[in-house]
Amino acid sequence: KQEVTQIPAALSVPEGENLVLNCSFTDSAIYNLQWFRQDPGKGLTSLLLIQSSQREQTSGRLNASLDKSSGRSTLYIAASQPGDSATYLCAVMGGSGNTPLVFGKGTRLSVIA
Amino acid sequence: NAGVTQTPKFQVLKTGQSMTLQCAQDMNHNSMYWYRQDPGMGLRLIYYSASEGTTDKGEVPNGYNVSRLNKREFSLRLESAAPSQTSVYFCASSEALGGMTDTQYFGPGTRLTVL
Repeated sequence: KQEVTQIPAALSVPEGENLVLNCSFTDSAIYNLQWFRQDPGKGLTSLLLIQSSQREQTSGRLNASLDKSSGRSTLYIAASQPGDSATYLCAVMGGSGNTPLVFGKGTRLSVIA
Repeated sequence: NAGVTQTPKFQVLKTGQSMTLQCAQDMNHNSMYWYRQDPGMGLRLIYYSASEGTTDKGEVPNGYNVSRLNKREFSLRLESAAPSQTSVYFCASSEALGGMTDTQYFGPGTRLTVL
């Protein structure tokens, strides 16, 4: 059974710092991996989706990488801002697709001005 | 575009009561989903609908029923609520027909408490 782990559970950084959030998964036979952002009391917002054949995806200050063989993904946030404060969730879709996303429990990020 | 909308935003039920959570999307998406989010458990899929007229069980379907009323609407029903169903419920949708392979768009959630 696929398991997704995100470490650390919480992270606090000063504004302007570059940071990396980690996601690991136990079964490397994945279809895609997605990163989401969740603000307190709100729904999830999709940030990046990486297909299993891709190594990375970029959107603005965000860069997500995927290493299937080692079962790891990282989300890099450049020049962090207080508005980046949120919980970041990693989710993996297994096999050939059309299977439920398996979510990690998230990393709660606080960017201090 | 409103995206994915959910009603109600909050609900308190007594054990044994029934209710229906409503979800609608205006993005002409083919697939729709219901998740629950519990502290320390992450999000788990309850049911999904890969196309209009079809529904399938997810990871935690017991105690729930769903209806894909049309392409826009996907409802979740609790027939006899239990305290274990206290949770935050999210509806989501995606463009893909017949699968869950693409980006999912989430609604704002319904916070349900069962006493």
